[in-house]
Amino acid sequence: ETGVTQSPTHLIKTRGQQVTLRCSSQSGHNTVSWYQQALGQGPQFIFQYYREEENGRGNFPPRFSGLQFPNYSSELNVNALELDDSALYLCASSLASGYLTEAFFGQGTRLTVV
Amino acid sequence: DAKTTQPNSMESNEEEPVHLPCNHSTISGTDYIHWYRQLPSQGPEYVIHGLTSNVNNRMASLAIAEDRKSSTLILHRATLRDAAVYYCILTNTGNQFYFGTGTSLTVIP
Repeated sequence: ETGVTQSPTHLIKTRGQQVTLRCSSQSGHNTVSWYQQALGQGPQFIFQYYREEENGRGNFPPRFSGLQFPNYSSELNVNALELDDSALYLCASSLASGYLTEAFFGQGTRLTVV
Repeated sequence: DAKTTQPNSMESNEEEPVHLPCNHSTISGTDYIHWYRQLPSQGPEYVIHGLTSNVNNRMASLAIAEDRKSSTLILHRATLRDAAVYYCILTNTGNQFYFGTGTSLTVIP
């Protein structure tokens, strides 16, 4: 158990719909990163939030957006879902101070777009 | 971000040491080397990280070449629980990880 919880665990959506995924970070962690993992591939970095501000973004279109709340929990929103968005979505929390510290990943949300 | 190259798969016998290699010939002076592993149906799990010197922790050892163009993750005694995909990642941007496809480790009883 890492202390990072994601909800829901599984989700089925229709192409064109919107989805919101949630992540509760480990206590005391102020940085949350989101990743997309397609079947058989390594996780791909979507973006990172630090103290409620976006702090870096990978190669994902603007329909992938996020939020971080004052309690450091976070949401990932995906608009206009496409079939290729079907994947495991992972969030990871870390303590940004000290620059490079261990990141703790949740178990992920499995999104299926039909 | 700088790229890493790892073998797609490796096998090890249970209770024997495992050496997982990683090449990173384009590493920059400020890149840290991180290793994470992902067990089936779980999120990645931190293993170890280092910059220049070899590192040891309760899970593993990290041996970094003098020129930093390669590194090796060492599991001292493989157990069945160590069967996972192992990712070698370079980063200098505070835990923003660009994963490759990693090495799938099979541990044979």
